[in-house]
Order: sequence, then C-alpha cells, then structure tokens
Amino acid sequence: DTEVTQTPKHLVMGMTNKKSLKCEQHMGHRAMYWYKQKAKKPPELMFVYSYEKLSINESVPSRFSPECPNSSLLNLHLHALQPEDSALYLCASSQDGTQPYGYTFGSGTRLTVV
Amino acid sequence: DAKTTQPPSMDCAEGRAANLPCNHSTISGNEYVYWYRQIHSQGPQYIIHGLKNNETNEMASLIITEDRKSSTLILPHATLRDTAVYYCIVRVEAAGNKLTFGGGTRVLVKP
Repeated sequence: DTEVTQTPKHLVMGMTNKKSLKCEQHMGHRAMYWYKQKAKKPPELMFVYSYEKLSINESVPSRFSPECPNSSLLNLHLHALQPEDSALYLCASSQDGTQPYGYTFGSGTRLTVV
Repeated sequence: DAKTTQPPSMDCAEGRAANLPCNHSTISGNEYVYWYRQIHSQGPQYIIHGLKNNETNEMASLIITEDRKSSTLILPHATLRDTAVYYCIVRVEAAGNKLTFGGGTRVLVKP
C-alpha cells in the first residue's frame, strides 16, 4: 500500500459544529503532516507529527486540534470554525526524516464552513 | 531551508521537452532539491530529488548546476496530463522536518 487515504473527501459544516478529518497510511512512515491550501495558493504547513509526537505547530488557532492515535493514523479535530477556514486540507506522510525520501500526499478533504 | 525562485507560469507544446528552472542561490551543502507537482484538485505528487548529481527516474530528469545554485526539471515528452503547478523545494533532512512550498510554476501543456 503506497497511499495516504483521507476521509471524507468533502465536508460542509456550520460554525458551531464539531467534525474530524481522518488520514491513514500503511507505509510504515513515522512522520505525518497536515497542510491547508486555499484556492490558487501553495499548501501551508499546519502541524507535524514525528514518531506520534507533535513536533511542529505553525501557530495554528486552537479551533484546529490534531491527534495521532497511532503510527498509521492522523486526525484533525475541528470546532467553531470560521468561513475563512474553508480550504483543501491535505495530509502527508514521510519516512522518519533521516533519509531523503519524498512525501506522499493524500488527495485532501475539501472543507466548506457555512 | 533555502528560498527558491521559479517563474510563475510557462507554456509548452505537447510531445516536446519541458524545462522548468529553479534558482536556489542560498542553498547549503546539506540541503536537497526536491520537485513536486500538483494537478488541479489533487494532493501534491513527489517527482524527484537530488543533492549534487543529476538524477533521472521514470517521470523526469533533474539537472543541478555544479555550484548547486540552480536546477532544472526536465519532462522529456510533455503530455496534456503534465499540466500542473510544479514546486521546487530545498530542505534539510531531519526527523519530522517541514516541507515548505513556494509559489511554484504553473505549467500549461498545449496540444
């Protein structure tokens, strides 16, 4: 299995809702990432997990809460989002970072906040 | 990680080679050059990477200048499916290190 699987593919949520995005990989990668991408802009890093521990938080608002339950799973919990949070949310994984391997990205979850 | 500079857009003809330049004049000795592309509405896709030597795989070739201050990604026979945004990134390998995307080059392959 050489894929990163993200669910759901599309999500519409209200500003008072709580929802979660899920990301899964079975490549034995030990680093996992969340990116946010607005239309016609490059992806922007949000969080990095290395060996299931949060290693980088790019000053992301607390209404986004990441979780890494095990080495194959990465979640992004969403609460009280704003319409400007509407974007494509991308998950990626990579080897442990000690060797120059590329990242594998999922196809993303397109989130719309209404 | 070192900054990169890429042209914002370029067109190329189907069936011809596409040469995508990238400047990274502040690259340090332990930074690799990576190329990714993103086809519309999909996640970025890894293409190739290199440190000093030129590299080739089934997708593309990477030519890195001797001083490592610039590189060129070559798509040998561009197809319509190669229309995408191409990102050149330099980074140091470290556990959980971040991959930072710049503006990229929007490549349009025309029939």
